[in-house]
Amino acid sequence: RKEVEQDPGPFNVPEGATVAFNCTYSNSASQSFFWYRQDCRKEPKLLMSVYSSGNEDGRFTAQLNRASQYISLLIRDSKLSDSATYLCVVNPRNAGNMLTFGGGTRLMVKP
Amino acid sequence: DAGVTQSPTHLIKTRGQQVTLRCSPKSGHDTVSWYQQALGQGPQFIFQYYEEEERQRGNFPDRFSGHQFPNYSSELNVNALLLGDSALYLCASSLGGDRGHQPQHFGDGTRLSIL
Repeated sequence: RKEVEQDPGPFNVPEGATVAFNCTYSNSASQSFFWYRQDCRKEPKLLMSVYSSGNEDGRFTAQLNRASQYISLLIRDSKLSDSATYLCVVNPRNAGNMLTFGGGTRLMVKP
Repeated sequence: DAGVTQSPTHLIKTRGQQVTLRCSPKSGHDTVSWYQQALGQGPQFIFQYYEEEERQRGNFPDRFSGHQFPNYSSELNVNALLLGDSALYLCASSLGGDRGHQPQHFGDGTRLSIL
């Protein structure tokens, strides 16, 4: 079983739609959680951290459920520019600054 | 303020050869991590360098080795290249070694193709 699992997609949605991505992780001792965005043939960029209480950044909302070892990302009012691969990332406890990435979920927003 | 820079951007090698990839961290950063990203997959952690020492290592064979220099720049060396080593190699820099999670900034990567 992979340490971080995501549905690879692709998710094809129209502009303005709301789309949700889910991610599960296997290491219950994980302590930090993130969503990264990666455009085609580009480097990953931090989208947002994920906190236990849930957090929002504009159109993006992230949720964490430690009991179920489940992370989600909700994108409201999708824009064409949101088309990218979204990577779920976990930093295990006692792993220093090592990041464990999921395989990514591809989103394509259509006009 | 220079970000993370990697060289070369693209490289073609044949099986059995050796390769060296280079990374300069973001200004002010002292820690460098290397990741391998195969096509269609997420990045996989190779190792991390801080204070010129390998601090953490992922599940990669000894063919993968590295070095960090006093100016914090780093090299990734891969010996006896295999077809499966074809991937995008990403360098990420951060501050403070393994003192908990610090934001990591990624370079554009080196795309390595093995023929």
